[in-house]
Amino acid sequence: NAGVMQNPRHLVRRRGQEARLRCSPMKGHSHVYWYRQLPEEGLKFMVYLQKENIIDESGMPKERFSAEFPKEGPSILRIQQVVRGDSAAYFCASSPPRRASDSDEQYFGPGTRLTVT
Amino acid sequence: GNSVTQMEGPVTLSEEAFLTINCTYTATGYPSLFWYVQYPGEGLQLLLKATKADDKGSNKGFEATYRKETTSFHLEKGSVQVSDSAVYFCALTQAGNKLTFGGGTRVLVKP
Repeated sequence: NAGVMQNPRHLVRRRGQEARLRCSPMKGHSHVYWYRQLPEEGLKFMVYLQKENIIDESGMPKERFSAEFPKEGPSILRIQQVVRGDSAAYFCASSPPRRASDSDEQYFGPGTRLTVT
Repeated sequence: GNSVTQMEGPVTLSEEAFLTINCTYTATGYPSLFWYVQYPGEGLQLLLKATKADDKGSNKGFEATYRKETTSFHLEKGSVQVSDSAVYFCALTQAGNKLTFGGGTRVLVKP
């Protein structure tokens, strides 16, 4: 059973460009979470999605950031007009359906390291 | 809101030493508590968890007990190895929603 997959692993963008990060959850998982880790810091929650729905976006900046989890395909975190402060590691996690005994466990992907030059 | 506080590192130990990383939390109700480990350049791996008061989570020689009276979930290992060098994160969640993380503790084990 493949784990959570993220791509690309490394992404370099110039200021003003768009960054698009992809996350494929574990098989059978219907919940996706995005977190951001700034250098030498802990992880901060950004957004929580189920298929076609945003459940909680309280951690996501109001401007330039958006996320989706379509019926088919991976979850996408999009950052428009990137700035140097967006440089960070972005981690995706997935969890099983709520009826599962381990539904409170989140499994993390390897992350996408975004560098804005 | 919820919060997690864990001891700052780095923690430097010799092989076979005893490791403790303190973690305390603030939350309403009864959160689930977790320890995650992050090796250099990698994502987070779930190390152990506890879902109710007095539960003890354990894995790979690591243990942590959910103490509601002191709102703590300290991580311990009796004899560390060089391969335990990593960053350790304490975290909590409620109702299976977002994880709230502590700032992480870097552990360096020297041979």
